[in-house]
Amino acid sequence: DAGITQSPRHKVTETGTPVTLRCHQTENHRYMYWYRQDPGHGLRLIHYSYGVKDTDKGEVSDGYSVSRSKTEDFLLTLESATSSQTSVYFCAIRMGTELSEQYFGPGTRLTVT
Amino acid sequence: AQSVTQLGSHVSVSEGALVLLRCNYSSSVPPYLFWYVQYPNQGLQLLLKYTSAATLVKGINGFEAEFKKSETSFHLTKPSAHMSDAAEYFCAVTDSGTYKYIFGTGTRLKVLA
Repeated sequence: DAGITQSPRHKVTETGTPVTLRCHQTENHRYMYWYRQDPGHGLRLIHYSYGVKDTDKGEVSDGYSVSRSKTEDFLLTLESATSSQTSVYFCAIRMGTELSEQYFGPGTRLTVT
Repeated sequence: AQSVTQLGSHVSVSEGALVLLRCNYSSSVPPYLFWYVQYPNQGLQLLLKYTSAATLVKGINGFEAEFKKSETSFHLTKPSAHMSDAAEYFCAVTDSGTYKYIFGTGTRLKVLA
């Protein structure tokens, strides 16, 4: 158990509203990731972080921003939610050194109506 | 660029039969490969990983995978399927010099009684 929690676990919101998802870890791992999971696409990387205030874009970053002001928290923000952002969002951390595996949070199911 | 291809989005096997889930990768440098399992409404859990120490890797729940460089493959097998193996399985790749992991699109395993 890597001590990863995500909040909220479920959210329904309307098109055009801002939404922030939170990922919290308890073990001070340096690398944190946000993915979205959609049928037929597997997991796609949205953004990742390699330290406090150090973040970079993944393959599907348009419409998303992130922030990491503390080691333990990695926030994903949808500035103006769209229906195409309806998805399941997973946070992950990378354990240990380079080439280690990732550990995943339980996910947040987001529905944009 | 790295990529992962999982052949067969859905696989059905009878209980007690061999499980074979296919994963082929593309990488310009020695890859590090992972198999994850996802049960309904949960995050991904690591099944096993290849990090060049041995080409045959044993994981949890009786699964194993063999790294074959000549075939650029890392197929997942289990000699005898159990009903509890029904889940979605993801292959992933990373390599040194990157913080990123690339995931396949997943294979949903169904086990028939």
